[in-house]
Amino acid sequence: EAGVTQFPSHSVIEKGQTVTLRCDPISGHDNLYWYRRVMGKEIKFLLHFVKESKQDESGMPNNRFLAERTGGTYSTLKVQPAELEDSGVYFCASSRKSSYNSPLHFGNGTRLTVT
Amino acid sequence: GNSVTQMEGPVTLSEEAFLTINCTYTATGYPSLFWYVQYPGEGLQLLLKATKADDKGSNKGFEATYRKETTSFHLEKGSVQVSDSAVYFCALKRETSGSRLTFGEGTQLTVNP
Repeated sequence: EAGVTQFPSHSVIEKGQTVTLRCDPISGHDNLYWYRRVMGKEIKFLLHFVKESKQDESGMPNNRFLAERTGGTYSTLKVQPAELEDSGVYFCASSRKSSYNSPLHFGNGTRLTVT
Repeated sequence: GNSVTQMEGPVTLSEEAFLTINCTYTATGYPSLFWYVQYPGEGLQLLLKATKADDKGSNKGFEATYRKETTSFHLEKGSVQVSDSAVYFCALKRETSGSRLTFGEGTQLTVNP
């Protein structure tokens, strides 16, 4: 079984540019989560999809961030325009169910650097 | 709200030294507690977990005991190896949050030969 895959692994962009991160969850996992770790701080929840629907987007920092999951398969997270404080590692995770006992499977993360 | 606090890092040890990484939490109810590890160039992996008070999670020589009276879940290993060098994250999950996790800041561990 392939794990959660994230693209790209690294991205370096200038302030004001646009970047799109992609996450391919484990096949059959309806639940997809985005988290990020900024500047060595805690990993923070961004949002949760159930299939193609946003179940919880309470962690999205502002309207420069747009997450989509068309068709309920892979997801993209777009940052437009990027700011310096957006630098960090963006993790994607998936789970088969959203229940309390359902384990999360994480990808390797995308390291975003905004200069 | 929920929060997790880890000891400040980074931590540098010699091989075979004893490791403790402190973790305390704030949450209502009875959360489940976890330690995740991120090895260089890899994603987050579940290291161990405990789902109720006094439970001990263990894996790969690491242990942590769920202490409700002190709201702690400290990670310990009796003899670390160079291959244990990684970032360790303490996390909690509440039943009302489904499978959503709340993480601590992470502790970078470097083990020197």
